[in-house]
Amino acid sequence: DADVTQTPRNRITKTGKRIMLECSQTKGHDRMYWYRQDPGLGLQLIYYSFDVKDINKGEISDGYSVSRQAQAKFSLSLESAIPNQTALYFCATSDPRGPEETQYFGPGTRLLVL
Amino acid sequence: AQSVTQLDSHVSVSEGTPVLLRCNYSSSYSPSLFWYVQHPNKGLQLLLKYTSAATLVKGINGFEAEFKKSETSFHLTKPSAHMSDAAEYFCVVSDLGNTPLVFGKGTRLSVIA
Repeated sequence: DADVTQTPRNRITKTGKRIMLECSQTKGHDRMYWYRQDPGLGLQLIYYSFDVKDINKGEISDGYSVSRQAQAKFSLSLESAIPNQTALYFCATSDPRGPEETQYFGPGTRLLVL
Repeated sequence: AQSVTQLDSHVSVSEGTPVLLRCNYSSSYSPSLFWYVQHPNKGLQLLLKYTSAATLVKGINGFEAEFKKSETSFHLTKPSAHMSDAAEYFCVVSDLGNTPLVFGKGTRLSVIA
């Protein structure tokens, strides 16, 4: 079984709709992250959470919100989707107790906003 | 603040020839540096990482990278490319344990038969 899972894997929605992307992990890591990937731009950090009570904005948080329901779950919401939020979204986890902070990525969610 | 620049957006090599993907970084502290690979329609996988131990780092699938502080570089190399190496490669930097990773924009590697 995958250590970091994302649901759904693909989603098509319409402008103005609210949608939620979910991430679950079985690695026991405290730290979780949401990124979006656009062609030619690499990965941009949307939000990150260092533990259940800690939520931080990344470089492109506008239009997004998150919820850390438990150590293992970190959800990303688009309150009112717009076409330029069409992208590939990745969740990742990391363990700060390790000697270096390797991040482990989920398989991604491909989102299309019409 | 840290940053990373991948000097080539696209590199094309013939199968069996060497691979060089270039990365320069900027960091206020002693950085941790990573290379991740993303195959088509897949997530990101860690290739290798540098964390202030040996400056020459060996990773999976025959890749290696050398940390050069004087040049602020962390270039990725492989002696002989395989068709299966065709993918997107990301250079990543982290300053301290409490700051998120910063990704480069990626280099797409094409391998020609």
